[in-house]
This record gives sequence, C-alpha cells and structure tokens, in this order.
Amino acid sequence: GAVVSQHPSWVICKSGTSVKIECRSLDFQATTMFWYRQFPKQSLMLMATSNEGSKATYEQGVEKDKFLINHASLTLSTLTVTSAHPEDSSFYICSAGGVGGANVLTFGAGSRLTVL
Amino acid sequence: QQQVKQSPQSLIVQKGGISIINCAYENTAFDYFPWYQQFPGKGPALLIAIRPDVSEKKEGRFTISFNKSAKQFSLHIMDSQPGDSATYFCAASMAGSNTGKLIFGQGTTLQVKP
Repeated sequence: GAVVSQHPSWVICKSGTSVKIECRSLDFQATTMFWYRQFPKQSLMLMATSNEGSKATYEQGVEKDKFLINHASLTLSTLTVTSAHPEDSSFYICSAGGVGGANVLTFGAGSRLTVL
Repeated sequence: QQQVKQSPQSLIVQKGGISIINCAYENTAFDYFPWYQQFPGKGPALLIAIRPDVSEKKEGRFTISFNKSAKQFSLHIMDSQPGDSATYFCAASMAGSNTGKLIFGQGTTLQVKP
C-alpha cells in the first residue's frame, strides 16, 4: 500500500531558528502533497498544497514566508518553519494522494515541533 | 460553506456496543467523504470512504451511511472494541482543481470501555 514517511518525527528547537520537515512518498509518485497543522485535541487544518515543480498554494491566513514549502521531486516535499517561535509549536502532518484516486490521501505519521 | 460539522465531540461506548458519529456539510460540490482514525501522536489513517452515488458502504465492522438530500453522513462502528478507542475525523473533498484538499470535521474522541 501507499506509504508516506515524515522526518523528523519530533524536533525541539530554540526560538528564532529554522526547522525543516521532510515528507516522502515511499512507493508512489506524488505530484501533489498537502501540509496540515494540528493543535492538541483539535482538528487538522490545511496549510498549503505542495505542487511538484511549482510554487505551493497557501490557504488563507498562512504566512508563506514563514512556512516555506519546496516540492523538488515527485517523492519529496519539505516544509521549513522559518524563525520559529513558541506559537509555531504544533503537530505538522503531510499527506499525498494518487493511489486509489486523487482524493485518496495517505498521511504521514506527523512531526511534533516544540519551540522553546 | 466549506465547513464539515461533526458530532459528538466525545463518545463513550461499552465494549460490544455500536458507536455512531455524525457529520453534516453544506457544499454540494463535495463528492468524496472519507473517515479517518487517529491515535495519539500519529497521523490519521483512512478507515473507509464513500461517494455520493451510494447510500451505504460497509467494510468489516465499519459502515458509512450517506444521506445526500440531508447532506449528512455517519460512521457506525459495530461491536466496538477497546482497540477502537481513538479520535475519528470525517472529511470531505471535491473534484476538479481542489481534488485532494480535505476539509476535516472537528473530530470525535471515542472511548470504548472494556
């Protein structure tokens, strides 16, 4: 089945530093990947749509200069949280689709970011 | 109009009982309705999904009931087990340029008591 891998699974950083999270589709190619953010005991909120070879599409209210997304290949998308602050602490989850239908998304295991 | 409203927020069921979670939507352009199961600290995993051309879909102990006219759909978990204790999210997406963009419900935390 389709597998999406995220790395790192958890990261702690100091305020003001940047953190990169990788999302890989292991056994399929994904021209489109999605990045979600989830606060404790809350739902998943779509942050942006990552398109291979082109610029990401950000949802309203998401700062594109804060959350840099790069989708350089058909199996890798990265999310970089720049100049992280404590309020950026969250669970970041990526997903990719295409296997079984464009809507059928496989999610990664998530990356827990804690900014001190 | 982009919202998917989910209820209840939390649910406690005895082992062997039926767990029922409901969702409602407004946008008639939605054409794909999946349910996801999420355990603490993990990403969501697809449980079962339905498209509007059918009213019910069953996979093992999990059943989706879909009411197109009421714009509602629900997840039924039969013979609920303690291992089913997790957070469940309904979602919806539409065809075309927005394919794959899932709009999630608020989530339901299910606890199945042994």
